[in-house]
Amino acid sequence: GAGVSQTPSNKVTEKGKYVELRCDPISGHTALYWYRQSLGQGPEFLIYFQGTGAADDSGLPNDRFFAVRPEGSVSTLKIQRTERGDSAVYLCASSLGGVGDTQYFGPGTRLTVL
Amino acid sequence: AQKVTQAQTEISVVEKEDVTLDCVYETRDTTYYLFWYKQPPSGELVFLIRRNSFDEQNEISGRYSWNFQKSTSSFNFTITASQVVDSAVYFCALVGGGNKLTFGTGTQLKVEL
Repeated sequence: GAGVSQTPSNKVTEKGKYVELRCDPISGHTALYWYRQSLGQGPEFLIYFQGTGAADDSGLPNDRFFAVRPEGSVSTLKIQRTERGDSAVYLCASSLGGVGDTQYFGPGTRLTVL
Repeated sequence: AQKVTQAQTEISVVEKEDVTLDCVYETRDTTYYLFWYKQPPSGELVFLIRRNSFDEQNEISGRYSWNFQKSTSSFNFTITASQVVDSAVYFCALVGGGNKLTFGTGTQLKVEL
């Protein structure tokens, strides 16, 4: 079956602009996760949804970052007033939703803030 | 707080050599899950294995094997008879009480002819 998909694959924007990154999880997966990976580092957790609600948003770095999952499937990560330090690969993953279930990752969106 | 340490930043081997990637973890949770992921140059994280804290049996899958030792908080990964296609960054990760993965910094494996 289809894996996790993310669009766009690349996004270049200017400092101060608003961006939206989209994630389409594996069909039937109730849990959806966002991570951010900087060059040479492991992915860092941002936020986790169980169904439509954010179960844990402790990884969001500040209030410029926001994510939604209105129908419990597709999710959008929104970044306001982008800064150069936001440049990274944003990874989305999904799982069946049980504790410790395997998270399957999408190809990521590479965000570059000029 | 949870932590995963992959002390080996980069390893280079010649094809057909065996190689072991080390992973040491810290957690206060009594129930937890450990994972290994592979990230080839294309960038997508590929799931390799998941183990729970109650199952210390070693596992073998083809040329891959994993050694889980709770006594030393380690979950090491061995590739036997390495191949050029094994070249990638390998991440060890941990899930404890919540569902968020804590990753190590990764080990870059280079397999040369």
